[in-house]
Amino acid sequence: QVQLVESGGGVVQPGGSLRLSCAASGFTFSTYGMHWVRQAPGKGLEWVAVISYDGSIKKYGDSVKGRFTISRDSPKNTMYLQMNSLRAEDTAVYYCAKKSEGGTVAAAFDYWGQGTLVTVSS
Amino acid sequence: EIVLTQSPGTLSLSPGERATLSCRASQSVTGSYLAWYQQKPGQAPRLLIFGASSRATGIPDRFSGSGSGTDFTLTISRLEPEDFAVYYCQYYGDSPWTFGQGTKVEIK
Repeated sequence: QVQLVESGGGVVQPGGSLRLSCAASGFTFSTYGMHWVRQAPGKGLEWVAVISYDGSIKKYGDSVKGRFTISRDSPKNTMYLQMNSLRAEDTAVYYCAKKSEGGTVAAAFDYWGQGTLVTVSS
Repeated sequence: EIVLTQSPGTLSLSPGERATLSCRASQSVTGSYLAWYQQKPGQAPRLLIFGASSRATGIPDRFSGSGSGTDFTLTISRLEPEDFAVYYCQYYGDSPWTFGQGTKVEIK
């Protein structure tokens, strides 16, 4: 069965860096685009970034553009989110999510990880 | 960017009642790239509906989606105790993917 497991969250000071990982299993990772979505405490969902199935296309939300970098290592079935210049407003649970369709077609998110909490505080 | 506005913010209903949730887009959603998710406290979102009206795998048929253009609706025909949760609509056609602010369905 499909499993997505995030890791790497924790407490970091403002201006600091953190790298999140999303380990995937139960499907052919190299054929699906993947997303990061975050949720601040008590708030709604915010899309963060996407990477295409082959890693050639990467897009970011305006609030993280220039600070966050998404990447993937298909042989390791893992996606990453490198977060630099962290701010208090980046505090959130970060989820990785799988596209429901392979390739580049538009698709909803059919599987989500359990999330990893990032807290930016001095 | 397509902004999604959900209403109402909170819906207070009893088990067995019908729930009607609205999602309005700031511009037409081409391709019906509109999804609905359910989220319970401490859990990740779960995909309910994609393509505005197609149920995801394993979703009970009491959940239905409808609409096109700028107006979309999620209907839960008869609320079960496990349906009390927060529901989000989402545009997934292209960047930026956007979510509505959510509708909380609570027990009256």
